[in-house]
Amino acid sequence: QKEVEQNSGPLSVPEGAIASLNCTYSDRVSQSFFWYRQYSGKSPELIMSIYSNGDKEDGRFTAQLNKASQYVSLLIRDSQPSDSATYLCAVKTINYGGATNKLIFGTGTLLAVQP
Amino acid sequence: NAGVMQNPRHLVRRRGQEARLRCSPMKGHSHVYWYRQLPEEGLKFMVYLQKENIIDESGMPKERFSAEFPKEGPSILRIQQVVRGDSAAYFCASSRDGGETQYFGPGTRLLVL
Repeated sequence: QKEVEQNSGPLSVPEGAIASLNCTYSDRVSQSFFWYRQYSGKSPELIMSIYSNGDKEDGRFTAQLNKASQYVSLLIRDSQPSDSATYLCAVKTINYGGATNKLIFGTGTLLAVQP
Repeated sequence: NAGVMQNPRHLVRRRGQEARLRCSPMKGHSHVYWYRQLPEEGLKFMVYLQKENIIDESGMPKERFSAEFPKEGPSILRIQQVVRGDSAAYFCASSRDGGETQYFGPGTRLLVL
């Protein structure tokens, strides 16, 4: 089982619709969760971070976390063609043996917003 | 713009040569992370460093790869005797301290001929 799993897509949505991106993780002690956006040939860009159960909203983006189900999602409202990119879910887990802060990434979901 | 800086942006090497990738963290950041992204694959953690210390190198290949973050100057990821399988995008990220969000640099695209 992969540590962080995402549907590779492509996820195609019409302009103006809500895009829903999902991510599951295997390590129950995971503490911090991040969504990065990566355009083709570019570097990852932080979209949202979430640390506690529930919803966190920032503009058109809402991150949702359910630690009991080991599930984190990203909703994009009023999707725009410029949102078309790969969305990477990343998880940071406590390392009881040391002070590591590595991020474990999923392989990403390709989102295509159709004009 | 005081973002994470990486150079070179593109690097071409022949098999057996050495590759040196440099990363300057954001101003005020003292934690550096290196990740590798192979074609059609996700980002994989390689190494986490603070000034003059390697904190976690659990993702580094056992041979040919090394990293440092000296007291002065950028962090360097060094790949000796490169092979074609080393062709990838290498991203550096930095954070202010270990618990904070990591911000990524533009990456170095390494091509091994």
